[in-house]
Amino acid sequence: EDQVTQSPEALRLQEGESSSLNCSYTVSGLRGLFWYRQDPGKGPEFLFTLYSAGEEKEKERLKATLTKKESFLHITAPKPEDSATYLCAVQGGNAGNMLTFGGGTRLMVKP
Amino acid sequence: GAGVSQSPSNKVTEKGKDVELRCDPISGHTALYWYRQRLGQGLEFLIYFQGNSAPDKSGLPSDRFSAERTGESVSTLTIQRTQQEDSAVYLCASSLSGVGGYTFGSGTRLTVV
Repeated sequence: EDQVTQSPEALRLQEGESSSLNCSYTVSGLRGLFWYRQDPGKGPEFLFTLYSAGEEKEKERLKATLTKKESFLHITAPKPEDSATYLCAVQGGNAGNMLTFGGGTRLMVKP
Repeated sequence: GAGVSQSPSNKVTEKGKDVELRCDPISGHTALYWYRQRLGQGLEFLIYFQGNSAPDKSGLPSDRFSAERTGESVSTLTIQRTQQEDSAVYLCASSLSGVGGYTFGSGTRLTVV
């Protein structure tokens, strides 16, 4: 069974204070690891897909990296508008096309 | 349409009543998914449709839950004899082929009183 664990559950940062969110996973035959952003009252918004260890993707202040056991979402010099819940999900070889999600990290960036 | 559309956005129902939730996927997306998100928790897979194949119902929590999809268009999720533990946000997503990331709708917030 595919499993995804995200840490920390919640993270408070000052504006400009860089940090990283962790996503640890176990999966049989990784087909993709996904990062989403979710704002209150809205559906998750797609950020990145990573397919193999060593891969990196960047978008504005966010950079996602992938190893064989975990993924990190690095946030550089965050702004208050980066406050949201960040969700990690995996698509495994034995789970059809469904994504298995972690519990998310709730990020709060204070001005 | 431009995005995944879900209706209603909010639904309050009495315990024991049946509810229907609707999802209109992105035009041309063959794969459609339903997920449930309880307050403060992650997303829980419910059911997956891919084209004309038999749906993957492995995530449905009980036989009170069912879903249908007509071709590659609208899907409805039906919950019969609702219980308080059914209160959650029900999210629908679609993708072009079933491989890769999804596009989510804004969800239906269901409250069972």
